[in-house]
Amino acid sequence: EAGVVQSPRYKIIEKKQPVAFWCNPISGHNTLYWYLQNLGQGPELLIRYENEEAVDDSQLPKDRFSAERLKGVDSTLKIQPAELGDSAVYLCASSLGSKETQYFGPGTRLLVL
Amino acid sequence: GDSVTQMEGPVTLSEEAFLTINCTYTATGYPSLFWYVQYPGEGLQLLLKATKADDKGSNKGFEATYRKETTSFHLEKGSVQVSDSAVYFCALSDVAGNMLTFGGGTRLMVKP
Repeated sequence: EAGVVQSPRYKIIEKKQPVAFWCNPISGHNTLYWYLQNLGQGPELLIRYENEEAVDDSQLPKDRFSAERLKGVDSTLKIQPAELGDSAVYLCASSLGSKETQYFGPGTRLLVL
Repeated sequence: GDSVTQMEGPVTLSEEAFLTINCTYTATGYPSLFWYVQYPGEGLQLLLKATKADDKGSNKGFEATYRKETTSFHLEKGSVQVSDSAVYFCALSDVAGNMLTFGGGTRLMVKP
């Protein structure tokens, strides 16, 4: 069974530029999560989807971050414009349901110059 | 709010040494507890979990026991291998099961 797929794996951009990350969850997983992992720290939840509905986005900086999960499968996380402090690893995870074990993708490592 | 505290690393051990990585938590109610492992260049993988007090999670020789009285979930392994070198994260799931709260991670380095 394929795991959670994320792309790109690495991205280098200049500040003020836009950037987007893509996630394909495990087939059949209704719940999808985006986490932010700063260097040397544990992941922090940005947003959680139940199917296509964002049910918890309280930690998402909405002035520059946006996310969507059209059709309740793939998801895209966007930053516009990017700032130096956005340099981090962006992790996507999925689970069968909100109370089930979360499975993580390899992450996208973003460097903002 | 919920929080997880784990010992800072790096932890450096020789092969076949005994491993303990301490983890304590603060939470409302009775959360589920997890250990995730992150190998270099890879995503987080679930190592083991426990869903109620006194449960013991185990996998690949690693064990952790849910201790409600001390709010702890320490990770142990009797004999580490070089391949165990990774970053280990302790985490809890809120009572509703909606989100994971992670500790800061502990880097383990095992030398041959």
